[in-house]
Amino acid sequence: DAGVIQSPRHEVTEMGQEVTLRCKPISGHDYLFWYRQTMMRGLELLIYFNNNVPIDDSGMPEDRFSAKMPNASFSTLKIQPSEPRDSAVYFCASSGLNYGYTFGSGTRLTVV
Amino acid sequence: AQKITQTQPGMFVQEKEAVTLDCTYDTSDPSYGLFWYKQPSSGEMIFLIYQGSYDQQNATEGRYSLNFQKARKSANLVISASQLGDSAMYFCAMRGGFSGSARQLTFGSGTQLTVLP
Repeated sequence: DAGVIQSPRHEVTEMGQEVTLRCKPISGHDYLFWYRQTMMRGLELLIYFNNNVPIDDSGMPEDRFSAKMPNASFSTLKIQPSEPRDSAVYFCASSGLNYGYTFGSGTRLTVV
Repeated sequence: AQKITQTQPGMFVQEKEAVTLDCTYDTSDPSYGLFWYKQPSSGEMIFLIYQGSYDQQNATEGRYSLNFQKARKSANLVISASQLGDSAMYFCAMRGGFSGSARQLTFGSGTQLTVLP
C-alpha cells in the first residue's frame, strides 16, 4: 500500500497563474478530502467526495478554487488565478470502510 | 456543528516523563469518533490513536493513550515516557456520525509539544 500520493510536493508560482494539485487516494477508499493548512486558520476542510461525487464544497474559498474527481483513483484541486493569500500546505486524505483517515504528504504552495 | 478546542498552544515536557495534551469537543451527534494526529516539522500528518463514542474502554496504542471522559466531552492524549522524537505539533480531531454528510474531520488548533533532554 503506497498510501495517499500527492504531487507536486512543492510548488512556487507567480500571482495570476493557474495551479493544479493532484492526489491519488488509497485503492478501495471511497472518501477523498482536500484540506488547507495555514498558520492563521489551521486545518480547514475545502471539499470532500464520496464515490467520486462532491458532497460538501462549502469550504472552498471562492470561485477561483475548483476540485474534480474524474475516477476513484485521481483527484485535482485547481486554483485559477492564484493569489499570494493562497499560499499554504494543501493536504489530500482518503478514508474507507474502517473509517480511518490517511493523509498524503501535502503540497506546499507558494504564490509570489 | 462540531467543534474541537485545544487550549494549550505549547507544552514542554522532560524526556522520559509523561505528558497530557488537552482536547475538548462539542457535537450534537450521538455517534462520533475522536482522533489524534502528530505533525512533525517535516509536515506529514501521522495518525496516533482513535476513540469511538461508544467504546467502553479508553484507547491505547503503545505509549499513547486517550483519556476519554464522555460526560465532560474531553479526549485528552497521554504520552508516557516522552522521547525527543515526540517533539511535534499534535492535533485533536473529530468525525461525526457514519452518514455521508458527517464523514469529514474537524480539527483543533493544535498543541506544539517540545521534549527537553
